[in-house]
Amino acid sequence: GAGVSQTPSNKVTEKGKYVELRCDPISGHTALYWYRQSLGQGPEFLIYFQGTGAADDSGLPNDRFFAVRPEGSVSTLKIQRTERGDSAVYLCASSLGTANTEAFFGQGTRLTVV
Amino acid sequence: GQQLNQSPQSMFIQEGEDVSMNCTSSSIFNTWLWYKQEPGEGPVLLIALYKAGELTSNGRLTAQFGITRKDSFLNISASIPSDVGIYFCAQAKVGGSQGNLIFGKGTKLSVKP
Repeated sequence: GAGVSQTPSNKVTEKGKYVELRCDPISGHTALYWYRQSLGQGPEFLIYFQGTGAADDSGLPNDRFFAVRPEGSVSTLKIQRTERGDSAVYLCASSLGTANTEAFFGQGTRLTVV
Repeated sequence: GQQLNQSPQSMFIQEGEDVSMNCTSSSIFNTWLWYKQEPGEGPVLLIALYKAGELTSNGRLTAQFGITRKDSFLNISASIPSDVGIYFCAQAKVGGSQGNLIFGKGTKLSVKP
C-alpha cells in the first residue's frame, strides 16, 4: 500500500480480554516499530523489528504485551488480560531499516479498555 | 532516565506570526528529529538534524541543532491555519536501537485566522 496501515482504527474491549492490533508496513520496509501514545504525551517506544526478529523489545511494559512479525512484513501486537491503563493510541511505523532513514507512521489504533 | 523537555507546552498565535519552540536534554545526542502530529494521525517527520550547529530549512520551517548538542529549536515563519497540530522533538535512546526514539511531550500550536 501507499502508507503504513493499521487495523482496527478503534477498538473497545472489556478489562481482562485479549486484543490483537495489526500493522501493515510500507512494502519493502524491513524495519517496523510499535509505539504507544497516551493522551497529552509523546509516543513511547515499545518494540522494534528488523525483518522477522525483534531487534529491541526493551519498551514492552510487561509480559502481557507481545508482538510478532513472522514473515517480515505484517506485524501483530498482542495484549493479554487487558487493563484500563492499557488504553492509548498504539502507533506503528516502518522504515527502510538503514541508518538515518525516515520512519513513516500509521494513523494508529485507539484502544479503550472499559 | 533520558528525558526531553519541550517548551512551550502550547501556543496560541495569530495567522501570519512567526513561531519558535525548543527542546532541551541533559544528555548529549547525535541526532535531533522534529515531528508534527495532526488529530487522528501519526507523527510526520519534518526535519532531521545530524550535526552540532546544523541549520536546516524545509519551506517555512527552520530547525537548528544546538552547538552543545543538548538542545534544538524549531521556527515556523508566517504561520498559516494548516500549521495547527502538535510538534514533537525526538532523540534516539542512548544505547538503544535506531528505532528506539524518545519523544518530548510536544508543543500544541493553535493558529487563529
